[in-house]
Formats: sequence, C-alpha cells, structure tokens
Amino acid sequence: DSGVTQTPKHLITATGQRVTLRCSPRSGDLSVYWYQQSLDQGLQFLIQYYNGEERAKGNILERFSAQQFPDLHSELNLSSLELGDSALYFCASSVDGGGAVTGELFFGEGSRLTVL
Amino acid sequence: DQQVKQNSPSLSVQEGRISILNCDYTNSMFDYFLWYKKYPAEGPTFLISISSIKDKNEDGRFTVFLNKSAKHLSLHIVPSQPGDSAVYFCAASASRGGTSYGKLTFGQGTILTVHP
Repeated sequence: DSGVTQTPKHLITATGQRVTLRCSPRSGDLSVYWYQQSLDQGLQFLIQYYNGEERAKGNILERFSAQQFPDLHSELNLSSLELGDSALYFCASSVDGGGAVTGELFFGEGSRLTVL
Repeated sequence: DQQVKQNSPSLSVQEGRISILNCDYTNSMFDYFLWYKKYPAEGPTFLISISSIKDKNEDGRFTVFLNKSAKHLSLHIVPSQPGDSAVYFCAASASRGGTSYGKLTFGQGTILTVHP
C-alpha cells in the first residue's frame, strides 16, 4: 500500500461525457502528479501540482484540467471524452516539489477509464 | 518522440538466473534514472535509482548500471525469483538546480516472467 488513494478504480462512460478522477496523496506529501497510461504505452506525464499550485505541465489535452485543493487532494477533470481517452490514469505523490532526494514518486493503484 | 525506450517488450528467465532489463534514452539533459516495478492491478512501485554522477548502484539483488556515453542503462536482478515477475518501467528526469521536479519520462515497460 503506497498510501496514495485514487477513486474511482473503474469508470465506464460514453463519448462526449465528463468525468472527475480523485486522488488523495500520502500523508505529508505536498506534490501530486497525474500520469496517463494508454494500452501498451508507458506512463505519460500530464501535470504536477505542488502545495496547491501548478508546477509542471506535460502532454495534457485542453479538454483535461486538474487542481489541487487546500487539503492537498487533487482532481483530474476529463471532458468531451473521446474513445482515445480510454486509459489508466495514475496519481502519484511526493513529499517535496519533485522527490528531490531520490526522485521517488509513490503511485496510487490507478483509475481505469473506459469510454464507449 | 520517445525519449526513453525499452526495446524488449518481454523477457523470460529461469528462476535463479540473472535477469537483465535494458533501457535507452535520447535526452542528454536527463540526469536521474529510476526503475519501477508494476504488478497487475497495482500502481508502479519504486525499485532503484541512479544519479548521472554514478555508473552503478546496488540494492540487494538489484543493480542498475548507467553508461552515459551510450545513453544506456540496465537493471540486473540476481538471482531472479518468481515473485519478480512483473512489468518493469525505466524512467528518467532532468533536474534543475539540483532538484528533480518529478516530471518522470517513462519507457514502455518490459514484462519479466521468471519461471520456477
């Protein structure tokens, strides 16, 4: 158990819809990261928040947005969903702005999104 | 543009033998490298890392080797055990001012199967 909690674990929805994925980081961790893993692909970095502020952005679509709340949990909002958005979405956390000492991120179990 | 590549989708090894997983990268700005292990239905878990100032890091049965001139790293597992069967991801980051910002670039993963 990494201490990172993601909900829901599974989500099935239709094209054009909007979903929200939620992540609670490890206790004490200030940074939250979102990654997307499509079929047979590595994990693609989407976005990072540190203590409520956006820190780094990756290949995140404009239809996607995220935020980190004062209690440090984070939400990833996916809108106007397309078939290609079907993927595993992982949240990870680290204590500081980037796991400076070891580079280690702690990952949740992921939210599997299926768009039909 | 795949900046981190794991060219072997799968590897099969006999229990007790050595497993060697390989990873190549193209971005010369990468200065910190990590290996993650992932079991089905779980998030990736940190295994071992290496800074670019080193060429070898060892932790028990796991050793990571870094060849900067070749932009190549490898993970050696000796001896391999059936419980090591998992997907192994290579990841890299480019630190700024000595602090890694956690934006990890992952390879596609290699499925390791260790047969009893």
